[in-house]
Amino acid sequence: AQTVTQSQPEMSVQEAETVTLSCTYDTSESDYYLFWYKQPPSRQMILVIRQEAYKQQNATENRFSVNFQKAAKSFSLKISDSQLGDAAMYFCAYRSHGGATNKLIFGTGTLLAVQP
Amino acid sequence: DTGVSQDPRHKITKRGQNVTFRCDPISEHNRLYWYRQTLGQGPEFLTYFQNEAQLEKSRLLSDRFSAERPKGSFSTLEIQRTEQGDSAMYLCASSLEWYEQYFGPGTRLTVT
Repeated sequence: AQTVTQSQPEMSVQEAETVTLSCTYDTSESDYYLFWYKQPPSRQMILVIRQEAYKQQNATENRFSVNFQKAAKSFSLKISDSQLGDAAMYFCAYRSHGGATNKLIFGTGTLLAVQP
Repeated sequence: DTGVSQDPRHKITKRGQNVTFRCDPISEHNRLYWYRQTLGQGPEFLTYFQNEAQLEKSRLLSDRFSAERPKGSFSTLEIQRTEQGDSAMYLCASSLEWYEQYFGPGTRLTVT
């Protein structure tokens, strides 16, 4: 069974600075997807960024980028030029490729605080 | 596109009562998922529908839980004889085939 581990329950960053959130996962599959989701307080979860395992190039979405290390099974999220609106719970998630359900497997989350 | 909606947003019930939650997916989405999120944890998969067919149920979904998606549109999740351990946020998500899952705001259940 696949597992996702986020070892940082809480992180803090100053506005305009850069922060990196860590995620490791375990799987025996060779083809899969990895995601970072953002869950602001009392608001619904939204997708931040997606990485396909077969792609060597790290995904980037504006101020958000990932460092995908397939051999190490590591998938970190870097947020550049942090903004107050980035404060939220961030979840790393795994999904099999071509699986019957494409259900998401989530980590326990990292609560990010942004200090003005 | 109005997004995924869930009703009610909050539900307080007494132990032993039955509760039912509703999820309305994005209209063209054929896949619908239910997840449960307890405090301090990430969401955990409960069950999945493709159109009206329920294709997978997690072991977390005990016999007291039942989900339906009549006509492949909205879905309901019913919990019978609620227990305090059922207190959680119940999240619904939908997707078009294997593309991105869009989440609803969730229903927070408190069992007293």
